[in-house]
Amino acid sequence: DVKVTQSSRYLVKRTGEKVFLECVQDMDHENMFWYRQDPGLGLRLIYFSYDVKMKEKGDIPEGYSVSREKKERFSLILESASTNQTSMYLCASSLRQLESSPLHFGNGTRLTVT
Amino acid sequence: RKEVEQDPGPFNVPEGATVAFNCTYSNSASQSFFWYRQDCRKEPKLLMSVYSSGNEDGRFTAQLNRASQYISLLIRDSKLSDSATYLCGGDSGYALNFGKGTSLLVTP
Repeated sequence: DVKVTQSSRYLVKRTGEKVFLECVQDMDHENMFWYRQDPGLGLRLIYFSYDVKMKEKGDIPEGYSVSREKKERFSLILESASTNQTSMYLCASSLRQLESSPLHFGNGTRLTVT
Repeated sequence: RKEVEQDPGPFNVPEGATVAFNCTYSNSASQSFFWYRQDCRKEPKLLMSVYSSGNEDGRFTAQLNRASQYISLLIRDSKLSDSATYLCGGDSGYALNFGKGTSLLVTP
C-alpha cells in the first residue's frame, strides 16, 4: 500500500512566519503534488514536481514555493504566512503515467494562520 | 471556467436507492479520469478509475463519454456508509484537476 505521510496534522502559525510543510512518500513515485482545499473552492493545485529538483507551478502558486531535493520528499514553503493561506493542505504522489497510477493523498495538514 | 465541474448537491437518498452523479470536463486532451471518495475532514481516497468501456466494482459503475465530455458514477443499493463527498478528477498532463465534489447523504 502506498503511504504518503505529512509531517503535521494541525499547525497554527502567526502572520509573517515562514512555514514548512513536509511530505514523504514510500513508493518511489516520480510525481508529487501540493493541493489546498477550501470550502466551496474544492481542491486547487499549488505546485507539482515530476522529478527530483524539478518543479512546476499549478493554478495558485502565489505566496508559495517548493523544494524537492530527494525523490521521496516534497516540501511546501510559505515564505511569509498570511491569513488567506489558512486552509487544508494535501500532498499527493503518483507514478509518472497517471492512467496506471492515480494520485494517492496524505492525510492532510490543517494550517491556521492568525 | 473550471476544467472539471460537478453538481455540488447535496443528494439526499434513502437506503437502497440508486443514485448517479455526473461530472463534465473541458480539456478534450484529458486521458485519465478517476472518482475519489472523501469523508468529512479526511483525505480523498481513490474509489475507481474510469475507462471508455465503462467499469464496474460491486455496487459502483463508472462511465466515460468522450463525445459529450462527461464521466458518471452510479451507486446501486445505497448504504448508509456511502455518505461522503465524491470528487471527480481528470488529468491535465502530469496533474489531476478536480471538481468541487458532490455531497451524498444516505438516510435510513
